[in-house]
Amino acid sequence: QVQLQGSGPGLVKPSQTLSLTCTVSGGSLSSGGYYWSWIRQHPGKGLEWIGHIYYTGSIYNNPSLKSRLTMSVDTSKNQFSLKLSSVTAADTAVYYCARLRSSNYYYGMDVWGQGTTVTVSS
Amino acid sequence: EIVLTQSPGTLSLSPGERVTLSCRASQSLNSMYLAWYQQKPGQAPRLLIYGASSRATGIPDRFSGSGSGTDFTLTINRLEPEDFAVYYCQQYSNSLWTFGQGTKVEIK
Repeated sequence: QVQLQGSGPGLVKPSQTLSLTCTVSGGSLSSGGYYWSWIRQHPGKGLEWIGHIYYTGSIYNNPSLKSRLTMSVDTSKNQFSLKLSSVTAADTAVYYCARLRSSNYYYGMDVWGQGTTVTVSS
Repeated sequence: EIVLTQSPGTLSLSPGERVTLSCRASQSLNSMYLAWYQQKPGQAPRLLIYGASSRATGIPDRFSGSGSGTDFTLTINRLEPEDFAVYYCQQYSNSLWTFGQGTKVEIK
């Protein structure tokens, strides 16, 4: 059974870069048919899709964050990562990693990590 | 960008009741890209329904989804105590995934 574990600093200073990693266990990140996703949730608010990446490195991201966003995969470590630059207080949120199952059909985001709380503050 | 509007914002119900949640899209959607999620406080969302009407693995059959075009519905028959949560719809179009703002189902 695939599990996702997000990790990264809980506190980031304004203007710095937020860096998060999600480790995949119980399965291979290189399995076809899955996109590895990032979603965030501002305090007390709804869900916002950040982007997702295929194991080949193909990236799909939210245009509103594109200019500050870098995503990558490390198949040797079974991990995928997110970097968000020039952060402000508006980037304070819980960041979730998730698996999007899609191969000729969309099967939803069926596995989620526990969420990493990130606060942007000096 | 397609906007999903969920209604109502909050529902106060008792266990055993039937509940219908609405998700309306600002433009017509491909039903394949409409999903529903449940989120409890302090937890990650859980996939309930994909393709507008297909239950995800392990989801009880009291949960059902329906709809097409711009109007979609999540129905929960006979609310169980563990069903009190926030429910989100999600869609994909034009290379962008978006979520509705959520409907909270609370105990009356």
